[in-house]
Amino acid sequence: GAGVSQSPRYKVAKRGQDVALRCDPISGHVSLFWYQQALGQGPEFLTYFQNEAQLDKSGLPSDRFFAERPEGSVSTLKIQRTQQEDSAVYLCASSPNIAGVSYEQYFGPGTRLTVT
Amino acid sequence: AQSVTQPDIHITVSEGASLELRCNYSYGATPYLFWYVQSPGQGLQLLLKYFSGDTLVQGIKGFEAEFKRSQSSFNLRKPSVHWSDAAEYFCAVGRSGAGSYQLTFGKGTKLSVIP
Repeated sequence: GAGVSQSPRYKVAKRGQDVALRCDPISGHVSLFWYQQALGQGPEFLTYFQNEAQLDKSGLPSDRFFAERPEGSVSTLKIQRTQQEDSAVYLCASSPNIAGVSYEQYFGPGTRLTVT
Repeated sequence: AQSVTQPDIHITVSEGASLELRCNYSYGATPYLFWYVQSPGQGLQLLLKYFSGDTLVQGIKGFEAEFKRSQSSFNLRKPSVHWSDAAEYFCAVGRSGAGSYQLTFGKGTKLSVIP
């Protein structure tokens, strides 16, 4: 079956531009996560949705970062006024489970954002 | 706060040799532990996971890992490495709290395989 898909796969933005990154989770998956992976580093948590509710946004690095999942399926991560330090791969993951079960996460291929 | 340490940044092994990738974690309760593999340009693929029970867990592609609570370790092993195993490997610990089930990842170990 279809896995997690992300678009675009690559994005080049000039500093100061706004960008929007899309994530299509596996159909029926309740939980959705965004991670940021800087070059040479492991992924770092940004935010978590359970259906349409954003239950944890503690990892968002600044108020320039905003995420939404209005209908509980597709999610968009928006970065306003991009800065060079925003350059990274942005990974989306979904999970069929919520609390206390296996909460195995399935990752998409990521969007590589380069801010020039 | 939870954390994961992968002491080896880069490991090179010969094809057919055995492999062990180290992972140490810090977490106040019983951890949920994972190993993921990432090939260039690809997303993360789950190799195996530990939640409870038998401390030796089997995963895909012939990998296994052993949870040792006394050492706070969850090392990944494979008895015979194939060239296709060359990739980056990430250890992760999961937690629950405040309604979130985020994973905390180590910095990864890059595996190179010599034919």
